[in-house]
Amino acid sequence: GENVEQHPSTLSVQEGDSAVIKCTYSDSASNYFPWYKQELGKRPQLIIDIRSNVGEKKDQRIAVTLNKTAKHFSLHITETQPEDSAVYFCAASISNQAGTALIFGKGTTLSVSS
Amino acid sequence: EAEVAQSPRYKITEKSQAVAFWCDPISGHATLYWYRQILGQGPELLVQFQDESVVDDSQLPKDRFSAERLKGVDSTLKIQPAELGDSAMYLCASSLGGFKSDGYTFGSGTRLTVV
Repeated sequence: GENVEQHPSTLSVQEGDSAVIKCTYSDSASNYFPWYKQELGKRPQLIIDIRSNVGEKKDQRIAVTLNKTAKHFSLHITETQPEDSAVYFCAASISNQAGTALIFGKGTTLSVSS
Repeated sequence: EAEVAQSPRYKITEKSQAVAFWCDPISGHATLYWYRQILGQGPELLVQFQDESVVDDSQLPKDRFSAERLKGVDSTLKIQPAELGDSAMYLCASSLGGFKSDGYTFGSGTRLTVV
């Protein structure tokens, strides 16, 4: 089955710096890759996603890149702010008889210090 | 904005007791998922429903866990008997379903503590 590896597990940056989180997946059939942000005690919330027919997608300060050949995708956050501090999860889709499900990485705890 | 409703928000139960969680997905969402999130880890898929049918329950510990979605709307996840290792956040999510689904919406979760 699908396996999603996420690195690093923790990341500390200074406010204004960039942060990059990387994920690899094992199932070449995966075609949808969302990223979720989870603040302490709250639900995971979708922040950006990318489909396999696109190599890069950007939304203001966040961007996601996808390399299908290498089976890896990355989250890029520029001009980090303290409110970006949270746990970030990548996920990859798997297909089953009813559609899709998401398999998640173990998460990256991002700390942005001012 | 439509939300996935879950209750209770918190649950403390003793080892060997039964516990149940409830989820009401976004109206019209055919696909419902239950995930378990152990502290410090990513969500792990337990069971997926399409309408009232189970699509995938390969990771559900069936000796103690059960899930149902009788009318294809709301769903209940039950643990009997609860064990200490079941302490986790139980998240419900829903999506429209189908092969072009986008990322789904999570509920606020039920945080279970087994003592």
